[in-house]
Amino acid sequence: GEDVEQSLFLSVREGDSSVINCTYTDSSSTYLYWYKQEPGAGLQLLTYIFSNMDMKQDQRLTVLLNKKDKHLSLRIADTQTGDSAIYFCAEVLILLSGTYKYIFGTGTRLKVLA
Amino acid sequence: DAGVIQSPRHEVTEMGQEVTLRCKPISGHNSLFWYRQTMMRGLELLIYFNNNVPIDDSGMPEDRFSAKMPNASFSTLKIQPSEPRDSAVYFCASTDSTGEPRRDTIYFGEGSWLTVV
Repeated sequence: GEDVEQSLFLSVREGDSSVINCTYTDSSSTYLYWYKQEPGAGLQLLTYIFSNMDMKQDQRLTVLLNKKDKHLSLRIADTQTGDSAIYFCAEVLILLSGTYKYIFGTGTRLKVLA
Repeated sequence: DAGVIQSPRHEVTEMGQEVTLRCKPISGHNSLFWYRQTMMRGLELLIYFNNNVPIDDSGMPEDRFSAKMPNASFSTLKIQPSEPRDSAVYFCASTDSTGEPRRDTIYFGEGSWLTVV
């Protein structure tokens, strides 16, 4: 199938690290993405990783990619209350027609406790 | 660019009424997606278009839902008749899907928040 799986909820204390996990389906996906949705808003690209990379670090964010297990994770260091949001994992599937479509996970709702 | 523009931002309607949601994709983008977001089911892909042609509508829940894209700059998602379980946030998104996928990825509108009472 084309399901991208994520757990629905995660709760952490302010200052701790958050780890959001995702399992995707298509081993040929060239890019994998993390999107952030703040309350009442649309989805915004947070970060991405190219499929030939194992890890990407961007300030407090670390993305880990395990292609063998089709597992993607997002680690947020020193989590702040402003990080409370829904985080979506996404992959891109290339179709026989030459077009491609994006498949999103259901989203993980991160709640940061003060 | 103004980004993906959706209207209305909020709509409250009575069960049985017709609902039409509108989307203007980013100029130059050739793929358009409609997603639905609910607390219980998360983000679901309903339908997507490439060059104004519907490519995959397998996510459309039932015949009450229909989507059109009469030209490259406009799309509608219609629900007729609407039911309370259709209450959700409906997102439109667009991308340029020519060539290889890029990190530029897909851009979302702010969403249309629908409540059917």
